[in-house]
Amino acid sequence: GQQVMQIPQYQHVQEGEDFTTYCNSSTTLSNIQWYKQRPGGHPVFLIQLVKSGEVKKQKRLTFQFGEAKKNSSLHITATQTTDVGTYFCAGSNQAGTALIFGKGTTLSVSS
Amino acid sequence: EADIYQTPRYLVIGTGKKITLECSQTMGHDKMYWYQQDPGMELHLIHYSYGVNSTEKGDLSSESTVSRIRTEHFPLTLESARPSHTSQYLCASSEYTLSGAVEQFFGPGTRLTVL
Repeated sequence: GQQVMQIPQYQHVQEGEDFTTYCNSSTTLSNIQWYKQRPGGHPVFLIQLVKSGEVKKQKRLTFQFGEAKKNSSLHITATQTTDVGTYFCAGSNQAGTALIFGKGTTLSVSS
Repeated sequence: EADIYQTPRYLVIGTGKKITLECSQTMGHDKMYWYQQDPGMELHLIHYSYGVNSTEKGDLSSESTVSRIRTEHFPLTLESARPSHTSQYLCASSEYTLSGAVEQFFGPGTRLTVL
């Protein structure tokens, strides 16, 4: 079945450093979504990428969808303590099917 | 802010008890989901629904059951709780489109502890 792999599992950075998490699928995806879950909270939708090679930015966050639509990345520039949490990618390979979530990358930031 | 609610938020019960976790959404979404998540770990889809009278099992085998009698309501029931059921249960909903998966809105979760 479809698998979505995410690395690294954990990342610790100093405040101000950059951070990147990578997501890879075993199959071609129709779209990919990214969610953020703060400690003790629930996942909150960040963005959806649909087109091959698509790049979207949200302030310090840059999201990229690979040309083959099998991988994606989330890059945070100059991390802040408010960026702490677990970032999940989630993809689907057919219209209307349930999302397959990656295992998430947990980011910790020290000031 | 997403209008999706879960009750109770926290539940501690003894082994063998029957429990129902409630989930309601006021967004008129057709699709609803139940995920199981251990602290700091990945989300496992255990049930989902495309609409009223539709229920499907997810990727993770679960001893729970669900029902979808009304669009806004998607309760999850454990007939006989066991310590292995201790986890966080997250409910989510989304619109249903033919063009692919769309944003899922998550409820605050129910943290279940079975003694």
